[in-house]
Amino acid sequence: NAGVTQTPKFQVLKTGQSMTLQCAQDMNHEYMSWYRQDPGMGLRLIHYSVGAGITDQGEVPNGYNVSRSTTEDFPLRLLSAAPSQTSVYFCASRSGLAGGRTGELFFGEGSRLTVL
Amino acid sequence: KQEVTQIPAALSVPEGENLVLNCSFTDSAIYNLQWFRQDPGKGLTSLLLIQSSQREQTSGRLNASLDKSSGRSTLYIAASQPGDSATYLCAVILYGNKLVFGAGTILRVKS
Repeated sequence: NAGVTQTPKFQVLKTGQSMTLQCAQDMNHEYMSWYRQDPGMGLRLIHYSVGAGITDQGEVPNGYNVSRSTTEDFPLRLLSAAPSQTSVYFCASRSGLAGGRTGELFFGEGSRLTVL
Repeated sequence: KQEVTQIPAALSVPEGENLVLNCSFTDSAIYNLQWFRQDPGKGLTSLLLIQSSQREQTSGRLNASLDKSSGRSTLYIAASQPGDSATYLCAVILYGNKLVFGAGTILRVKS
């Protein structure tokens, strides 16, 4: 069982370049989310989705776009990378909370992005 | 606004000690609370999840408790080992799909 898979693990970009971080889960989870983790700032929510076709902004959405065309995939797009977006990015997924389900959160291994 | 605080921020103990990590939250209307471990350069690994109706959960040498009324959870690690060295984070899941993380406790177990 693969769980949550993120690619790439490492990426270096120049300011102004665009790229997409991929996230896929094989647990049929409704909820998927993207976080960034920075020293001293903890984990901050960028965007999240509660199902295919539904996305919403988190705490720090500026500079990032997402889409959710399938249950399995939730890509994060950086349209014009800036040095402030240098960070480690984590994708996470969990089941919905209806029906007494636990909503246990599962994380990918992370994608380390450096913007020069 | 829900705030999650973890104390201490860092902890260094000799091998074999029992230890307690603390997590407090300001709003008791939580759906559940989850403890994670993060090794340097790695993702977050789920350790224990406590639903709001539960008081504690146990897995091996780990025991997590939850007191919603006082807004507190503790993670107890028995007989600590150097392999337990990592950052431990707690997170509360709120109704409405919101999730709030604490800043974490950095644990070092010395051999």
